[in-house]
Amino acid sequence: DAMVIQNPRYQVTQFGKPVTLSCSQTLNHNVMYWYQQKSSQAPKLLFHYYDKDFNNEADTPDNFQSRRPNTSFCFLDIRSPGLGDAAMYLCATSRELGTNTEAFFGQGTRLTVV
Amino acid sequence: LAKTTQPISMDSYEGQEVNITCSHNNIATNDYITWYQQFPSQGPRFIIQGYKTKVTNEVASLFIPADRKSSTLSLPRVSLSDTAVYYCLVGGLRGQNFVFGPGTRLSVLP
Repeated sequence: DAMVIQNPRYQVTQFGKPVTLSCSQTLNHNVMYWYQQKSSQAPKLLFHYYDKDFNNEADTPDNFQSRRPNTSFCFLDIRSPGLGDAAMYLCATSRELGTNTEAFFGQGTRLTVV
Repeated sequence: LAKTTQPISMDSYEGQEVNITCSHNNIATNDYITWYQQFPSQGPRFIIQGYKTKVTNEVASLFIPADRKSSTLSLPRVSLSDTAVYYCLVGGLRGQNFVFGPGTRLSVLP
């Protein structure tokens, strides 16, 4: 059974039109992460939540926002998508932030900007 | 934040043992070393994790020398389905976990 679920798997949005990607987890993990992965590149961490505490990576553009209304759900909002934001967006969870924890990833949402 | 260096790509043949080495010269005392596997259009998947010496599970072994400045992921008898990108991660400061390096693209040939 899927433990980290991302919806939708594929999303097409128009240039400049706000879009929201969703992630849910059944693991009751404290930490949820959002990554951006472009073709043939490694996943790039955008931000993460530890419980309700939001932590933004220094180089994450302001165009990217996130919400975590409860333990199970986390959303990625792209306020004004540009062509350069087309990528796979990966959600992950971990029980804690310690270096010996394991991350569980969803299948990703592939975003196309037209 | 510990930086990792891996070979960009490797080729192997079915049935061979594959060893992928990761360098992490500035690993911190409390850092663990974790390897993930990623297939195309899927999220990464945990393979193995270790702190020192050797760790083995049902899919791989992880060898870590005493100075912990490198680690080697060993995949025994690879098959075509092991073709994937393999990422080595080293734990960083709180709030900087799971920062991926460039990864190693493994191609298993028949």
